[in-house]
Order: sequence, then structure tokens, then C-alpha cells
Amino acid sequence: GDSVTQMEGPVTLSEEAFLTINCTYTATGYPSLFWYVQYPGEGLQLLLKATKADDKGSNKGFEATYRKETTSFHLEKGSVQVSDSAVYFCALSRTGGFKTIFGAGTRLFVKA
Amino acid sequence: GAVVSQHPSRVICKSGTSVKIECRSLDFQATTMFWYRQFPKQSLMLMATSNEGSKATYEQGVEKDKFLINHASLTLSTLTVTSAHPEDSSFYICSARDRDSGNTIYFGEGSWLTVV
Repeated sequence: GDSVTQMEGPVTLSEEAFLTINCTYTATGYPSLFWYVQYPGEGLQLLLKATKADDKGSNKGFEATYRKETTSFHLEKGSVQVSDSAVYFCALSRTGGFKTIFGAGTRLFVKA
Repeated sequence: GAVVSQHPSRVICKSGTSVKIECRSLDFQATTMFWYRQFPKQSLMLMATSNEGSKATYEQGVEKDKFLINHASLTLSTLTVTSAHPEDSSFYICSARDRDSGNTIYFGEGSWLTVV
């Protein structure tokens, strides 16, 4: 079945460091890919998405490119801030709005 | 933009009682809603898929008699945790599919349930 694998955390970075959180997926067909963020004590927020191969999703300085050949959707940010500290979930959903499959989540701590 | 609202956002109940969580799509019709559960420091696990006007489809291992789901209208799905126990304490979050905007999925804010 469909699955999402993302790097284990926690990831601890200093402010202004470069961030990469790896995410790979297994799915038949062409799923849509997402990154969600969950700040402490809050619900899920959609961070960015990509719906087809080679699409790049971007938002708030974060980027991820849908790589069909490597079945990956790695999240990157050039300069993290303390306010980026949160849990980041990679996810996929089949075309047609079916259920969303989540990765395990990666906790990010950014130190001032 | 589309909004999915959950209520209550936080609830504390006594062991043995039942608690209902509502999930509403505020400006679109959702024929399909999904209920997830998140244990502390873990990922979100799909519990069930709720279809308007029909029975919910539960994931393997989820007790349908304990987690009652009702999707009586195109804008409301409810999750009732019956005879709650402390191990049911968790974060429950719903999502709704907007059929009229390319089947986009929107998530609610989530509900924190504590059973004491």
C-alpha cells in the first residue's frame, strides 16, 4: 500500500542554518504530495503541496520539489528561524481527494 | 478560503462517559470527511472515512462501536467516543474533501481529549 517515510528527528539547528528534511514515498500512480506543519499545541497547517512530477511547492521560505524518478519530496529552507520550531509531516494523497497518508513526522528545534 | 472547524478544541471528561466531537465544513459541502488520531509525539493515524448519508468505513483495528461516526449532513460529521477511558486521551483531527474545488482536502484545528 501507499506509504511515506521521512527522516527521524529531532533535528536541532541554529538560527539561519539551512534545513533539509528528507521524505520519500511509495505509491502507485501519481499522488499529490504535501508538507504539513504542526506548531506546539496546535492543529495541522498545510505548508506546501505539489500535484505532479517536477512541481515545486513553496511557502514562507520553504520549498519542496516533486521528484518522480527518486520518489522524493524533500523539504528545504535556506535560513531557519526560531519560529520555525515545529513538527513537520510529509504526506501523500491520491488524486480524487482520498485519505491522506502521513509520514511519522520530524520535530525541528531551532536555537537562537 | 475553505475552513473546517472542529468543536470542542479541548475537552476533559470522566472515565465511562461519552464525548462528541464535531467537524464542520464552513463554506463548502463535504461528502467525505476523515477522522484521524494522534498520540503524543507520533504521527496521525487514520481512524475512519465518513461518507455523508452512509456508514463510515473504519480502518483495521479501530473499534466501530467505541468510536461512533455520524455524517448526517453535507457540512457536519461527528465522532463520539463512547465509554471513554484514559487511554482514549489523544488529539483527534478531522479533514474534509471539497468536491467542488478539485477534491482539495482541508484539515480542522483538532480536538484535544483528556479522559480522567
